[in-house]
Amino acid sequence: NAGVTQTPKFQVLKTGQSMTLQCAQDMNHEYMSWYRQDPGMGLRLIHYSVGAGITDQGEVPNGYNVSRSTTEDFPLRLLSAAPSQTSVYFCASRATRSYNEQFFGPGTRLTVL
Amino acid sequence: QQPVQSPQAVILREGEDAVINCSSSKALYSVHWYRQKHGEAPVFLMILLKGGEQKGHEKISASFNEKKQQSSLYLTASQLSYSGTYFCGTEDFEGKLTFGQGTILTVHP
Repeated sequence: NAGVTQTPKFQVLKTGQSMTLQCAQDMNHEYMSWYRQDPGMGLRLIHYSVGAGITDQGEVPNGYNVSRSTTEDFPLRLLSAAPSQTSVYFCASRATRSYNEQFFGPGTRLTVL
Repeated sequence: QQPVQSPQAVILREGEDAVINCSSSKALYSVHWYRQKHGEAPVFLMILLKGGEQKGHEKISASFNEKKQQSSLYLTASQLSYSGTYFCGTEDFEGKLTFGQGTILTVHP
């Protein structure tokens, strides 16, 4: 199993550009989430999904869109990048809500100029 | 809303003990604990469920007070490998898992 994979690992964008961060898992997990990590702010939840076709907002959803058309994939779209979106982004998955650890991907380091 | 962790940072000598606390303002279904090394992704340590069930690390223990929505992580006889940032995650009844701001633990020889 590859676990949770994220692409790209690094990305530099200009203000106003759009892009999609890819996330995939091969563990047949129902739950998937996106977090951003900034110094001193911990891990903040952007969006999450409890199954294919179901998504919901987290703590900091503005400026991001998600969709979950398959169990395996959970892409995160930045609509119009802003410098405030410079961060490290982690995708994560877990089997269900009960008694199951969450697995994190390796992260994507995004810089918006 | 993010859970609140305390302290923000801890410095230990090898062999010393530490406690990291986590509190939430909302009713919780479970509490998760993770450790992150610099430049890496967070790694699972513990899960604590309502009703007292636990699953996790052999040498690290934790408690969950459901009534107070609080959890504590106990690190005993610390080792150099315990250094890192510790995050508590709180899960609500809708399956949303949110994390605190982290506690930086440094263990010196």
